[in-house]
Amino acid sequence: AQSVTQPDIHITVSEGASLELRCNYSYGATPYLFWYVQSPGQGLQLLLKYFSGDTLVQGIKGFEAEFKRSQSSFNLRKPSVHWSDAAEYFCAVGAGGNTPLVFGKGTRLSVIA
Amino acid sequence: GAGVSQSPSNKVTEKGKDVELRCDPISGHTALYWYRQSLGQGLEFLIYFQGNSAPDKSGLPSDRFSAERTGGSVSTLTIQRTQQEDSAVYLCASSFGVGGNEKLFFGSGTQLSVL
Repeated sequence: AQSVTQPDIHITVSEGASLELRCNYSYGATPYLFWYVQSPGQGLQLLLKYFSGDTLVQGIKGFEAEFKRSQSSFNLRKPSVHWSDAAEYFCAVGAGGNTPLVFGKGTRLSVIA
Repeated sequence: GAGVSQSPSNKVTEKGKDVELRCDPISGHTALYWYRQSLGQGLEFLIYFQGNSAPDKSGLPSDRFSAERTGGSVSTLTIQRTQQEDSAVYLCASSFGVGGNEKLFFGSGTQLSVL
C-alpha cells in the first residue's frame, strides 16, 4: 500500500521569500501525486497533480512541484510567497484503479511580514 | 448543487449517543469518499464508494462506524455509541470515475464534538 510523509509539521516564511514544502512517498510503481491546500475556513482545493510525462508540474496560484523518482519525492515550491498563502498543505499519493487517495499529515504554513 | 454539500456543519453530542453525518456529492460523480481530519493527524481515509461496486471499508476505525450511499448519490456516515476520541472534522469528497488518479472535490466538513 502507498504512504506519504510530510516531514515538516509547521513552516514559517517571510512574505516574498521562496518556499519549498517536502513530500516523500512510498509506492512500488509510478504513483499519482497531488498537492492540496486547505485555507482557513475553507475546504481542500487541488493545487496540482502529477500523472506522467514532464516531472515539473505547474499548478494554480503560482505553485509548482517536481517529481523525483530517485528520491521518491514530490516537493512543492513557490518563488515568492504571499500572505494569502498561509494555509495547511497536504501531499497525497494514489495508486490508480479503484483505490482511494492516501494523504500525508500536512504542513502548516505561516507567512510573516 | 455546485459543490459537495455536508450537513450539519457542526455537531455536538454526548458520549454514547449515535450521530449521522450527511454528504451530498456533486451530481454525476460516481466516487465518494469519507475522510477524518484530527489535529496533527492529517486526513485519515475512512471509506470509499465507487459506482455500484462494494465499498472499500478498510479505513473504518471500528465497527461503531458505518456508511451507506443510497441511489449512487447521497451518503450517510453513522457513528454509534460515540466516544470522545471520535471528535474530529469529517470530510466528504467526490470525483468523476475511478479513484486514485482523479481530482477530489471536498465539502466543508462536519465538525463533530463528543462531550
